[in-house]
Amino acid sequence: GQQLNQSPQSMFIQEGEDVSMNCTSSSIFNTWLWYKQDPGEGPVLLIALYKAGELTSNGRLTAQFGITRKDSFLNISASIPSDVGIYFCAGRSDRGSTLGRLYFGRGTQLTVWP
Amino acid sequence: EPEVTQTPSHQVTQMGQEVILRCVPISNHLYFYWYRQILGQKVEFLVSFYNNEISEKSEIFDDQFSVERPDGSNFTLKIRSTKLEDSAMYFCASTPRGGGHDTQYFGPGTRLTVL
Repeated sequence: GQQLNQSPQSMFIQEGEDVSMNCTSSSIFNTWLWYKQDPGEGPVLLIALYKAGELTSNGRLTAQFGITRKDSFLNISASIPSDVGIYFCAGRSDRGSTLGRLYFGRGTQLTVWP
Repeated sequence: EPEVTQTPSHQVTQMGQEVILRCVPISNHLYFYWYRQILGQKVEFLVSFYNNEISEKSEIFDDQFSVERPDGSNFTLKIRSTKLEDSAMYFCASTPRGGGHDTQYFGPGTRLTVL
């Protein structure tokens, strides 16, 4: 199956700092997604990217779809305590009219110290 | 805002027992999915479902698993004879039309504990 490598595995930062995490894939994806998961909850969509080279922002979050279609990064600027959680990248390869399954990275555990 | 709901939130069962996990996808969505997440690990795809049939399934989704849309609102995952290694969070997801810019919206999950 397709492998996603997400790094770093964990980050410990101070409030106000910027954060960067990334994902690389062994194969091409048509869509890159970034989700956040709080303890005991399901993944919540943060940003969706549909086109190679696309740079998209959602408030303090910015994500890019790599030109090679095999990577993506997520930046969080000026982190705040509520940014704490696990961030997952997910890739999708659509086939014809069927919406393909999502392949998830292993997640980046973010801890923000006040 | 519409959301995917799942019941129960936590299910404890004995090994070998059958369990049914229930999901109510967002009402105008047509594609449905089940994923699982073993504690501390990544989310893994199990199965996708469209037009009352399985579209795709992973190697995890063996003969012990089945899915069903028994009525216009529910989408269920059945595990026929649970094993210890089935203990995980199970997430249901849905998407409107399945193509283009559609994205999958996840429910809060059911924590399955097999003893």
